[in-house]
Amino acid sequence: GQQLNQSPQSMFIQEGEDVSMNCTSSSIFNTWLWYKQDPGEGPVLLIALYKAGELTSNGRLTAQFGITRKDSFLNISASIPSDVGIYFCAVPGRGGATNKLIFGTGTLLAVQP
Amino acid sequence: ETGVTQTPRHLVMGMTNKKSLKCEQHLGHNAMYWYKQSAKKPLELMFVYNFKEQTENNSVPSRFSPECPNSSHLFLHLHTLQPEDSALYLCASSQVSGTTGELFFGEGSRLTVL
Repeated sequence: GQQLNQSPQSMFIQEGEDVSMNCTSSSIFNTWLWYKQDPGEGPVLLIALYKAGELTSNGRLTAQFGITRKDSFLNISASIPSDVGIYFCAVPGRGGATNKLIFGTGTLLAVQP
Repeated sequence: ETGVTQTPRHLVMGMTNKKSLKCEQHLGHNAMYWYKQSAKKPLELMFVYNFKEQTENNSVPSRFSPECPNSSHLFLHLHTLQPEDSALYLCASSQVSGTTGELFFGEGSRLTVL
């Protein structure tokens, strides 16, 4: 089945630093989603991309399609301690079903105050 | 508080036990899901229910038995599990039509099989 590979697997940064992570697949997708999972919680949707070439921001977070539409990037500016968590990308499952998401392997972010 | 409540939060069971996980959503959604989250593996979709009807069984072993009595409640009945079934089981809900891919997850039930 489809696999989404995220890199890096983990990041340990200082508060205030900018962060960039990406997600790649072997197929083209026209919808990319980024979720965050806080420790002890379920994932929460952060940003959704629905149009090729789209760049979407949500506060300090920015997500965009890659040029080939086989990848997506998530950037966090001026990180703060509450940014700690696991970030997952997700794409629609078989037939473009957005209610049957495929999730990536995750990027663990740790922020040192 | 996401509007999706899972109980119990933690469960330890032997391989011969029978237990159930419960999920309740207060968001008025009409689709509910079970996902499995294991260490170092992506979230795996297990079951999907739309309007109480099962629309997806992602090749899940029969020792996991879902039940959806109404659009607000979802159960996962567990019996004769294996140690490799130890994981975090996440319930989620969403709207079926016009879905944007936004799932609302509960906090999960951490299952340990001895």
